[in-house]
Amino acid sequence: NAGVTQTPKFQVLKTGQSMTLQCAQDMNHNSMYWYRQDPGMGLRLIYYSASEGTTDKGEVPNGYNVSRLNKREFSLRLESAAPSQTSVYFCASSEAGRGGYTFGSGTRLTVV
Amino acid sequence: KQEVTQIPAALSVPEGENLVLNCSFTDSAIYNLQWFRQDPGKGLTSLLLIQSSQREQTSGRLNASLDKSSGRSTLYIAASQPGDSATYLCAVLPYGNNRLAFGKGNQVVVIP
Repeated sequence: NAGVTQTPKFQVLKTGQSMTLQCAQDMNHNSMYWYRQDPGMGLRLIYYSASEGTTDKGEVPNGYNVSRLNKREFSLRLESAAPSQTSVYFCASSEAGRGGYTFGSGTRLTVV
Repeated sequence: KQEVTQIPAALSVPEGENLVLNCSFTDSAIYNLQWFRQDPGKGLTSLLLIQSSQREQTSGRLNASLDKSSGRSTLYIAASQPGDSATYLCAVLPYGNNRLAFGKGNQVVVIP
């Protein structure tokens, strides 16, 4: 019963490098989300996908892009990493409407 | 905009005491409210999901109540144990969108 799987778990990037964070869910959920968590700031929504084929900006989308590859997979791309993007990134999924959210275990990203 | 508040930010209780954590939200137009647990360096684990039509949910030693009209939820943990030490996050799903609004959490330490 995997739930939401994120890869990688840890990553160190140099400023200006690019990378893609992967997320997959096996619960047949329609909606998927990317959050970042920073000390004192709580969880902030970066992008979300209400259903396959759609994506929308959240609170802090600058510097990120997303792709909803299919119903299971939702990736987050950093095109040119900056130290301000050092954070813990969480992917989540939910049924559309009233379903609860399920979170992945996170990716700890450091940009130097 | 929905605001979710959890006070206090941190608390310590002796083992065996009942834990009471409070969550307040500004707009009563919600689909549901969800309580999560987060251990240091880990992801979010869903504890309880209360739909807007429900007054409470229970799971083992955990009980969560919801008073939508007053914008409050309370999480009770009976007979606390050191293993209950964690950060507890409250989140509400507002009407009109499927984007959770999070509180900043209660960091709990249960002292043996």
